[in-house]
Amino acid sequence: GAGVSQSPSNKVTEKGKDVELRCDPISGHTALYWYRQSLGQGLEFLIYFQGNSAPDKSGLPSDRFSAERTGGSVSTLTIQRTQQEDSAVYLCASSVRGRQGLPLGTIEQFFGPGTRLTVL
Amino acid sequence: KQEVTQIPAALSVPEGENLVLNCSFTDSAIYNLQWFRQDPGKGLTSLLLIQSSQREQTSGRLNASLDKSSGRSTLYIAASQPGDSATYLCAVISNFGNEKLTFGTGTRLTIIP
Repeated sequence: GAGVSQSPSNKVTEKGKDVELRCDPISGHTALYWYRQSLGQGLEFLIYFQGNSAPDKSGLPSDRFSAERTGGSVSTLTIQRTQQEDSAVYLCASSVRGRQGLPLGTIEQFFGPGTRLTVL
Repeated sequence: KQEVTQIPAALSVPEGENLVLNCSFTDSAIYNLQWFRQDPGKGLTSLLLIQSSQREQTSGRLNASLDKSSGRSTLYIAASQPGDSATYLCAVISNFGNEKLTFGTGTRLTIIP
């Protein structure tokens, strides 16, 4: 596709349920990022995948959050036992980082439209 | 820890005026700085990316400058239009750690027709 896509666009769930959010990065982008945008916290980093390396999970707020990236492309962010404070917009981004010789300063991240999660 | 601040939080100006949005960051060791636009209920659209070695970037009516030593960037919008109304976010990638973006809290811009 032409850009980063995310699904679903909106998700309403009950407290305690598990949810899965999907991200399709731009074709050929080796790096994939998840961010969360909430009213009280602004935009914050969650997790970063780069090629075949182990993901950087340093931004995940709790062990209820996990993510995987299959085949170096599509990524799924899973939130277990959702809580009301998990309500936010979850944004995915991708970039070409990892291509040999690309200067780090030229890394440009492109964002998807986001998934709005509401936990009742 | 890198912190990014944007002032003002909100700005309203009449159509046609030129305006400046400000961004400051606490750690000058950055790879680049990116300006984004976000429309209500939408994702982020990348406007300009300035590498740490650059002083400015221009795209159409937009001009972004970077003064890395002082930890500041400005986004200049010329001849503002109602379609420019949106939230503008700046974000940096720091030299240390992974390539995550650290975002400012944004400036909500309203252009009055």
